[in-house]
Amino acid sequence: QVQLEESGGGVVQPGRSLRLSCAASGFNFGNYGMNWVRQAPGKGPEWLAVILYDGITTEYADSVKGRFIVSRDNSKDTLYLQMNNLRTEDTAFYYCARKQWVARGEFDLWGQGTLVIVSS
Amino acid sequence: DIQLTQSPSFLSASIGDRVTITCRASQDISKYLAWYQQKPGKAPKLLIYSASTLQSGVPSRFSGSGFETEFTLTVSNLQPEDYATYYCQQFNSYPLTFGGGTKVEIK
Repeated sequence: QVQLEESGGGVVQPGRSLRLSCAASGFNFGNYGMNWVRQAPGKGPEWLAVILYDGITTEYADSVKGRFIVSRDNSKDTLYLQMNNLRTEDTAFYYCARKQWVARGEFDLWGQGTLVIVSS
Repeated sequence: DIQLTQSPSFLSASIGDRVTITCRASQDISKYLAWYQQKPGKAPKLLIYSASTLQSGVPSRFSGSGFETEFTLTVSNLQPEDYATYYCQQFNSYPLTFGGGTKVEIK
């Protein structure tokens, strides 16, 4: 079925790095732009980054610009988020979300999320 | 960055009620606003995009309206499965931003 599945979360110390993955299935991954969104426990969602279908065009939130890198491998139907120099405030559930084809590319498909805890 | 302010933050309503949630943008975003529903432990679900277009599969008791800086989400005839937190999100420009959320609870 059509789905996204994140992996790679865990507990990491401040200043360290972590790479998240988002495996897509059931649709033509290479045709869609993809996003990363995070949500700290008890807080609202925060958009982090987008990468278009071409794997070249990206945009980032100021909070992660210069520290996080979004990439994709269309041959593996997988989206990535490389997170460097992690801070305690990066603790959150991390979701990947698909940009729908129509309108402005609202997020019509989400993964179940993976939890990242940044703590010493 | 465009700020989105939702009100109320919390509301208590009964089954069958009509509820309205407001989202105000800090600048003109035309019609580029979406609404999501989120239940505990789950990812957000797209309900409405372009301010008033119902996403496929979403019940018609959900409706959206608005333009420029003021938007509303209305749920008519509230059902048990509608108790959740609702978020607006603007798609006018990057960085994309979300509102602070409105939690709808059972009265």
